[in-house]
Amino acid sequence: AQTVTQSQPEMSVQEAETVTLSCTYDTSESDYYLFWYKQPPSRQMILVIRQEAYKQQNATENRFSVNFQKAAKSFSLKISDSQLGDAAMYFCAYAGGTSYGKLTFGQGTILTVHP
Amino acid sequence: NAGVTQTPKFQVLKTGQSMTLQCAQDMNHNSMYWYRQDPGMGLRLIYYSASEGTTDKGEVPNGYNVSRLNKREFSLRLESAAPSQTSVYFCASQINRQGKSGYTFGSGTRLTVV
Repeated sequence: AQTVTQSQPEMSVQEAETVTLSCTYDTSESDYYLFWYKQPPSRQMILVIRQEAYKQQNATENRFSVNFQKAAKSFSLKISDSQLGDAAMYFCAYAGGTSYGKLTFGQGTILTVHP
Repeated sequence: NAGVTQTPKFQVLKTGQSMTLQCAQDMNHNSMYWYRQDPGMGLRLIYYSASEGTTDKGEVPNGYNVSRLNKREFSLRLESAAPSQTSVYFCASQINRQGKSGYTFGSGTRLTVV
């Protein structure tokens, strides 16, 4: 079974600084997808960024980028120029090519942004 | 606005009571999912429906039943609620069951069982 581990229960960052959230996963599949979701206090699950395992290039979305290390099974999220609105719970998630769309989530990391 | 609608948003139940959580999507998605979110454990899959007419167990199905009423609706039923089922429940949909397809989540139902 696939597992996703987020080892940082909480992280904090100063506004305008950069922060990196860690995620590791375990799988025997070669075809899979990795995601970072943001969950603000409203509870809404918001997709931040997605990485396809067969793509070597790291995904980027504006201030958000990932460091995808396939051999190490690591998928970290870097938030640059942090903003107060980035404060939220962040979840790393995995969907395998053979798991028919089912997502496996990490435990989550609470990000606090200090003004 | 197109999306996934969950009702109710909040619910308090007494132990042993039953209730059904409703989920509907208007995006013509084939696949639908129910997750529960507990502190320190992320979201865990309860049941899913790959397509209309099919349902399958996920990671934590005990104590729950589901119905895929039609393509739009996927309900989650608690027959005899227990305090261990206190959680936030999310419904999600996906155009098909492939990992590359985008997921859309509902806004969640906070359920408390006393």
